[in-house]
Amino acid sequence: NAGVMQNPRHLVRRRGQEARLRCSPMKGHSHVYWYRQLPEEGLKFMVYLQKENIIDESGMPKERFSAEFPKEGPSILRIQQVVRGDSAAYFCASSPIPGLALNEQFFGPGTRLTVL
Amino acid sequence: AQSVTQLDSQVPVFEEAPVELRCNYSSSVSVYLFWYVQYPNQGLQLLLKYLSGSTLVKGINGFEAEFNKSQTSFHLRKPSVHISDTAEYFCAVGAQKLVFGQGTRLTINP
Repeated sequence: NAGVMQNPRHLVRRRGQEARLRCSPMKGHSHVYWYRQLPEEGLKFMVYLQKENIIDESGMPKERFSAEFPKEGPSILRIQQVVRGDSAAYFCASSPIPGLALNEQFFGPGTRLTVL
Repeated sequence: AQSVTQLDSQVPVFEEAPVELRCNYSSSVSVYLFWYVQYPNQGLQLLLKYLSGSTLVKGINGFEAEFNKSQTSFHLRKPSVHISDTAEYFCAVGAQKLVFGQGTRLTINP
């Protein structure tokens, strides 16, 4: 059973470009979480999605950031008009059972975004 | 609101020595606590979790942690560390939305 997959692993963008980060959850998992890790910091929650629904986006910046998890295909975290401060590692996690505290989140290897 | 404080940003220890990584939390709701390990350039791997029941939790790689409600702590311990334990360790609280501490970098010296 493959783990959570993220691609690309490394992404370089110039200021003003768009960044698209993809996350394929583990087989059988229907819930996806995105976290951001700035240099020398812990992970910060961004958004929690299930198929075709955003459950909690309280950690998402108000502008330029969006996330989706379509019925088919991976979850996408999209950052428009990137700025240097967006440089970070973006981690995706997935879980199998909705709404239970017993949920374990399985993390992907992350996408390291560098904005020049 | 929930928060996590990891009191040490770096902990150097000698190989085969014991280690304790400290974690304090605050939470106004039911407490679910986790320790994750992050090896260089990798994602996070769950070491152990406390959901309810026994306050002493055993995890993978010989790690254990004790939930102390009165001191709002969830310190991670290992009686004898190995070079391969060199990594960043994160304490987290929450259910669906995890709140992480800043991390503790554990370095093992031969």
